[in-house]
Amino acid sequence: DAGVIQSPRHEVTEMGQEVTLRCKPISGHDYLFWYRQTMMRGLELLIYFNNNVPIDDSGMPEDRFSAKMPNASFSTLKIQPSEPRDSAVYFCASSFGTGLRGYTFGSGTRLTVV
Amino acid sequence: DQQVKQNSPSLSVQEGRISILNCDYTNSMFDYFLWYKKYPAEGPTFLISISSIKDKNEDGRFTVFLNKSAKHLSLHIVPSQPGDSAVYFCAASPRDDKIIFGKGTRLHILP
Repeated sequence: DAGVIQSPRHEVTEMGQEVTLRCKPISGHDYLFWYRQTMMRGLELLIYFNNNVPIDDSGMPEDRFSAKMPNASFSTLKIQPSEPRDSAVYFCASSFGTGLRGYTFGSGTRLTVV
Repeated sequence: DQQVKQNSPSLSVQEGRISILNCDYTNSMFDYFLWYKKYPAEGPTFLISISSIKDKNEDGRFTVFLNKSAKHLSLHIVPSQPGDSAVYFCAASPRDDKIIFGKGTRLHILP
């Protein structure tokens, strides 16, 4: 398996523009997570899905952020409109169940909003 | 409120010596504790985990110790090698729920 695949690897956009981050989880995994990493907050969970259904979106910072999982092999995280404070590395992760096996992370998308 | 705390942002250890990374938590409902390792420009990778019913788990050079009464866990790396230089995240989760991460500790292995 190719692992969790995220695209793009890097994104530079202007403030006010819409940004869409993409994730393909590992086949057979039933959980999908979106995390954001910043110097101040470390790794913070934004939202997670179980069997394509959003379970907990309490970490989504505000209404400008939205996430979808239309099928088991694809998820998107959208920011509209983007702001400079959204600049961070966004990670997608997937797992089969939860617990001691942990999650498998993608390589991340580095987002810069100027 | 930070439920998982790594109070040392960085740590330097001589190659061949023991590296000890520490982590404290506040939520007594955590069932699972995990350590992740992260290299620059890569995603975190799972390293080792421990269940709350145990106090020690060992995997090669890596050992995790759990002290539930103190709400403290630690990761020991023996002996430390240059490839161990990375950021280490402590993480925890209740049963059947999301993993919460600490802010990480950057480990430097000195030649």
